[in-house]
Amino acid sequence: QLQLQESGSGLVKPSQTLSLTCTVSGGYITGGYSWSWIRQPPGQGLEWIGYIYHSGGTYYNTSLKSRVNISLDRSKNQFSLKVSSVTAADTAVYYCARAGTTGTTYYFDYWGQGTLVTVSS
Amino acid sequence: QSVLTQPPSVSGAPGQRVTISCTGSSSNIGAGYDVHWYQQLPGTAPKLLIYGNSNRPSGVSDRFSGSKSGTSASLAITGLQADDEADYYCQSYDSSLSGSWVFGGGTKVTVV
Repeated sequence: QLQLQESGSGLVKPSQTLSLTCTVSGGYITGGYSWSWIRQPPGQGLEWIGYIYHSGGTYYNTSLKSRVNISLDRSKNQFSLKVSSVTAADTAVYYCARAGTTGTTYYFDYWGQGTLVTVSS
Repeated sequence: QSVLTQPPSVSGAPGQRVTISCTGSSSNIGAGYDVHWYQQLPGTAPKLLIYGNSNRPSGVSDRFSGSKSGTSASLAITGLQADDEADYYCQSYDSSLSGSWVFGGGTKVTVV
C-alpha cells in the first residue's frame, strides 16, 4: 500500500523560506506518476501548489509560481517543496499527494496526512 | 473565490439522497476536462471519491456517484449515513491564464 508522509518545519518566520519533504513508501517515485503539493489554510478550501513529473519536470500554480520550487530526490524516494518570501497568508496544512491521470486531467489518489505550517514571528 | 462553484452546505436525513453541484465555465468543465471528487472527514486528509467524472476507486461505496453535463458536474450520495458528514470538494483543470488544477470551494454535508 502506497504511503506518503510530510515532514519539515512547522513554524516559519515571515520573509523566510518554507521547506517540506514528502517521503514515499510502498512504491517508487520514478514509477511513472507525478507528485504534487496541495495546501489548505485553516478553515478554508484546498489550493493546488504544483507538481513534479517522475522525470523531474515541474508545473506550478501561476499564482505561486515565482515563489515555489518542487524537486525530486530519487535516491531517498522523496520529493520536496520550497516556498520563499512567506507571509501569514501561507499559513496552512500542507499535503503531499500522488497524481494519477485520466488523460485530460490529473486527480490525487494518495495523500499524506498533512502538516501544519504556521508563518509567524 | 474558486473558479468551480459549490454550495456551501447541503443537508439530509439518514437514508435520503443528496446531491452536490459543481459549476464551472467554458475554460474548465465546459472545455471537456474531467471532474474529480474528494471527501474530507473532520481533521483528516482528503480522500479520492470519484475520478474521471463518474468512476469510483476500489473500496469506495456505490452509494457515491458522479456525473457531468455541459459546464457542471454533480456528486450524489444515496442512503445518507451519519459518517457521510464531511466536506466534499470537486476538482478539475482550468485553461485560463497559464492553466492550473483547481478545486471547488467545498460543500459541508450535514446529516440531520
